[in-house]
Amino acid sequence: GAVVSQHPSWVICKSGTSVKIECRSLDFQATTMFWYRQFPKQSLMLMATSNEGSKATYEQGVEKDKFLINHASLTLSTLTVTSAHPEDSSFYICSVGRTGTSGVKGQFFGPGTRLTVL
Amino acid sequence: AQTVTQSQPEMSVQEAETVTLSCTYDTSESDYYLFWYKQPPSRQMILVIRQEAYKQQNATENRFSVNFQKAAKSFSLKISDSQLGDAAMYFCAYRRFALGGSEKLVFGKGTKLTVNP
Repeated sequence: GAVVSQHPSWVICKSGTSVKIECRSLDFQATTMFWYRQFPKQSLMLMATSNEGSKATYEQGVEKDKFLINHASLTLSTLTVTSAHPEDSSFYICSVGRTGTSGVKGQFFGPGTRLTVL
Repeated sequence: AQTVTQSQPEMSVQEAETVTLSCTYDTSESDYYLFWYKQPPSRQMILVIRQEAYKQQNATENRFSVNFQKAAKSFSLKISDSQLGDAAMYFCAYRRFALGGSEKLVFGKGTKLTVNP
């Protein structure tokens, strides 16, 4: 598979502040990373596709000015939640899509970041 | 657009027994990939098994196997000899065939599996 890390694992912030979440691909150079949001007892909702060296592609309904994504290197993508509000509280997960000589391997996920906005 | 449906919000199984989780999908494409992911209480998403649509043979990974029925657009997961550690949310996912890592997954809503001792 692929080893993906996220930092921090849990963050609490005050309303109106910005929070940055890092996603690192530790053993694979990822030109593409994905960012998901997951509410309790629900499925994953894709927020955006992060592309190294270019702008992210956001899913319909996701505010690009609210959720800033930067993919500056092949191993690091960041998600910044700007001017966070309590409704932004959620579980954020990143993933890396991986292929190999035998074809598509799948997406491999980070451990997630729990964001709580007070 | 492709859709993935998991019709069983919750399932339960006795330890050491076998359970089957259902998944159906809708697509007009002939080549694609299907996945089952497991999300235990730690919330770490773990890839359980992968199936390429162009392969007729059902994928197996130790105690996990799939029943892939392409014509019926069905992709069920069978867990044999269930263990307490199998308790988790299970998500079925679809991916288009295109190579490269930029294709997104389409997830079902998940099935919560409980394993009773």
